[in-house]
Amino acid sequence: DAKTTQPPSMDCAEGRAANLPCNHSTISGNEYVYWYRQIHSQGPQYIIHGLKNNETNEMASLIITEDRKSSTLILPHATLRDTAVYYCIVRVPSSNSGYALNFGKGTSLLVTP
Amino acid sequence: DGGITQSPKYLFRKEGQNVTLSCEQNLNHDAMYWYRQDPGQGLRLIYYSQIVNDFQKGDIAEGYSVSREKKESFPLTVTSAQKNPTAFYLCASRTGTGRNEQFFGPGTRLTVL
Repeated sequence: DAKTTQPPSMDCAEGRAANLPCNHSTISGNEYVYWYRQIHSQGPQYIIHGLKNNETNEMASLIITEDRKSSTLILPHATLRDTAVYYCIVRVPSSNSGYALNFGKGTSLLVTP
Repeated sequence: DGGITQSPKYLFRKEGQNVTLSCEQNLNHDAMYWYRQDPGQGLRLIYYSQIVNDFQKGDIAEGYSVSREKKESFPLTVTSAQKNPTAFYLCASRTGTGRNEQFFGPGTRLTVL
């Protein structure tokens, strides 16, 4: 799996857009980018994933650069409940480890009033 | 409601005792996973199972054991051989259709005294 690099922490004012970056310069052509988040002392929650096109769902948008070496998760109107650790994970959909996910340390997002 | 349950939320055990953590899902998912999380760290894979009566070791399987006798259940036993068992344990499941979205339980925080 490609290695990812995320900033350890970020702040965002409530109501503003939160833009969380992820670098994955060694990504290969068949690897997807996945985003999960983990609110304190809870299990991680799936947010969104993509291969090369930008994706949007009810929770967030995912912007992947044309060379696919980096991506940005966008929470368009952050709320206090979006305070969590956000994980960027890059991997192929199939693997010998049964599709298990490789979580790094992620980015701790603090949304402030 | 469909989902994954883990019990108990908090568990205390004396050093040297084996302890079994429960994980049940009613999502009809084929694959199930156990992860361990230490403070300030990401998740690490302990064991996974892609089908009933079959399971594979993850990255940190030493000192742990699992069984998968039923599709709905994937209990984890933390044995006395696990040197540092105090951690937050997360169970997850995934449907076998190829999509890599994993659904996580609420976790069990194990403290060994």
